[in-house]
Amino acid sequence: DTAVSQTPKYLVTQMGNDKSIKCEQNLGHDTMYWYKQDSKKFLKIMFSYNNKELIINETVPNRFSPKSPDKAHLNLHINSLELGDSAVYFCASSPQGTVYGYTFGSGTRLTVV
Amino acid sequence: QKEVEQNSGPLSVPEGAIASLNCTYSDRGSQSFFWYRQYSGKSPELIMSIYSNGDKEDGRFTAQLNKASQYVSLLIRDSQPSDSATYLCAVSRDSNYQLIWGAGTKLIIKP
Repeated sequence: DTAVSQTPKYLVTQMGNDKSIKCEQNLGHDTMYWYKQDSKKFLKIMFSYNNKELIINETVPNRFSPKSPDKAHLNLHINSLELGDSAVYFCASSPQGTVYGYTFGSGTRLTVV
Repeated sequence: QKEVEQNSGPLSVPEGAIASLNCTYSDRGSQSFFWYRQYSGKSPELIMSIYSNGDKEDGRFTAQLNKASQYVSLLIRDSQPSDSATYLCAVSRDSNYQLIWGAGTKLIIKP
């Protein structure tokens, strides 16, 4: 049973398109995150939700919009995709707060052509 | 100054030796410290957490924390080729919902 699952695993799309990435966790965690990992492997937080409430909204283009319909799901919608959006996007979850660390999903490799 | 610093490597260690990975952090209020392992093309995986000064051992892994000097390290004993990966250090305050990440150290274990 996958604890944090993301779909799709790979996404290749043209510039200007709109796409969504879905994330679901079955760990009963209260907090979920979206991270972007660039080619240099640095993990950059984008958003975080705690019990469906947005608690972290880092400086990302407003073309990126998260949605959390319930505490087990956190989706990421990206409008008007650009070449620079190409990266691996990771979803993660944790019990409330950061005391116990995060569990990551397997990642979505987004390639914009 | 970066908030969490790691030597990017690569750090090359012969098989069977001890690999030593280091991480320094700038926020003296940090309370929780983590080491993640990330294989190429895979997601980060939590391997160690430490919360108080001293050593914490789990199998071949030992995490060491020194809050006065603001560093945390990871020792891997009897290194195996399967330990070759990028090791990420992450730090947080308890009241925060965000981990602060280092850029990672690439470790190569040579047979």
